[in-house]
Amino acid sequence: AQRVTQPEKLLSVFKGAPVELKCNYSYSGSPELFWYVQYSRQRLQLLLRHISRESIKGFTADLNKGETSFHLKKPFAQEEDSAMYYCALSGGGTYKYIFGTGTRLKVLA
Amino acid sequence: DTGVSQNPRHKITKRGQNVTFRCDPISEHNRLYWYRQTLGQGPEFLTYFQNEAQLEKSRLLSDRFSAERPKGSFSTLEIQRTEQGDSAMYLCASSSTWTGDYGYTFGSGTRLTVV
Repeated sequence: AQRVTQPEKLLSVFKGAPVELKCNYSYSGSPELFWYVQYSRQRLQLLLRHISRESIKGFTADLNKGETSFHLKKPFAQEEDSAMYYCALSGGGTYKYIFGTGTRLKVLA
Repeated sequence: DTGVSQNPRHKITKRGQNVTFRCDPISEHNRLYWYRQTLGQGPEFLTYFQNEAQLEKSRLLSDRFSAERPKGSFSTLEIQRTEQGDSAMYLCASSSTWTGDYGYTFGSGTRLTVV
């Protein structure tokens, strides 16, 4: 079955500490993986896509097909990173997503 | 173009009533998606359109739900005979297949409360 798992509902870190938001997936083919972020009172927005291999707002994510993971990382957390983060999977050319349940990141001063 | 627009932002309705939501996507985007999100969950796929054609519907979408995109521009999602379990945030998103980019632009959502 196709599935995205985000094991942590809440992750609290201190400002300046490293952050890693976990995402594991189950998919039989070659998926496209994404991270979406939702800041307080804002709409869901695309943060990263694995095919771009980009760094946005200091965040990076590497697709590990062996471990079927797509963890989101940032070396030094900032207070403005506090938000809800969703990992999502798309595959088979359908363009539809399967989302994880999300992880709330709280960056403490 | 101000992005994906959804109306209304909030809707409170009595059980058994019909409701309709509207989504205006980004004008250059040919794909339009509807998702539903309940508390503590990620968005769940409901249906999507490419231009005016509805290409896929989730099994979550019972016969009480219908979606249209008559001219390949805006879309409506109608729920007939609403039930309390329909209470959720209904999200619309759009994307373009021309760029090969799977990334979505989401609207702010319509929050439905069935009382």
